[in-house]
Amino acid sequence: GAVVSQHPSRVICKSGTSVKIECRSLDFQATTMFWYRQFPKQSLMLMATSNEGSKATYEQGVEKDKFLINHASLTLSTLTVTSAHPEDSSFYICSARGSGEKPVDGYTFGSGTRLTVV
Amino acid sequence: QKEVEQNSGPLSVPEGAIASLNCTYSDRGSQSFFWYRQYSGKSPELIMFIYSNGDKEDGRFTAQLNKASQYVSLLIRDSQPSDSATYLCAVIGGGYQKVTFGIGTKLQVIP
Repeated sequence: GAVVSQHPSRVICKSGTSVKIECRSLDFQATTMFWYRQFPKQSLMLMATSNEGSKATYEQGVEKDKFLINHASLTLSTLTVTSAHPEDSSFYICSARGSGEKPVDGYTFGSGTRLTVV
Repeated sequence: QKEVEQNSGPLSVPEGAIASLNCTYSDRGSQSFFWYRQYSGKSPELIMFIYSNGDKEDGRFTAQLNKASQYVSLLIRDSQPSDSATYLCAVIGGGYQKVTFGIGTKLQVIP
């Protein structure tokens, strides 16, 4: 089946620094990538949707200048948390979808990144 | 009103019993419905999907959908301790097929 590789799985960074999270689709072309954030005991909240080669669409309340999303190729999307602060500490998960697929076929999740900002 | 509502639980059932997990959604135009299982600290994994009204069975799992009542459920038969996890209900709606998740129901299967 489809596989999405997400790295790093865990990262600890100092407040004020930037962190990049990568998601790669290993055996399919990810035309759409969804980025989620999950705080403890809460549901996954969609942060943004990106289509290959175009600007990401951010959900209300998500700062596009703080959470930079790049989807420059059909197999790679990155999320950069800029000037991270402790309140950005969360579990970040990507989900990829291939072109022409039914919804159930395409929503493959990465393994998630646990970000801790100290 | 939340778009996808679930009772956060925990729902405790004895081993071997049937666990019943429920979910309601607000968007009448929703087309696709999913149940994901998420273990603590891990990413969600797809358990079941359902598009049409009625029941859909896969092994010990049965998904039930009632679009008129905007209600979807998941039954787990012969519950095992390994089924202990948080179960997320997810619904696809909107113009660009985004997935909206419920808060998840924590299931505890007691040996």
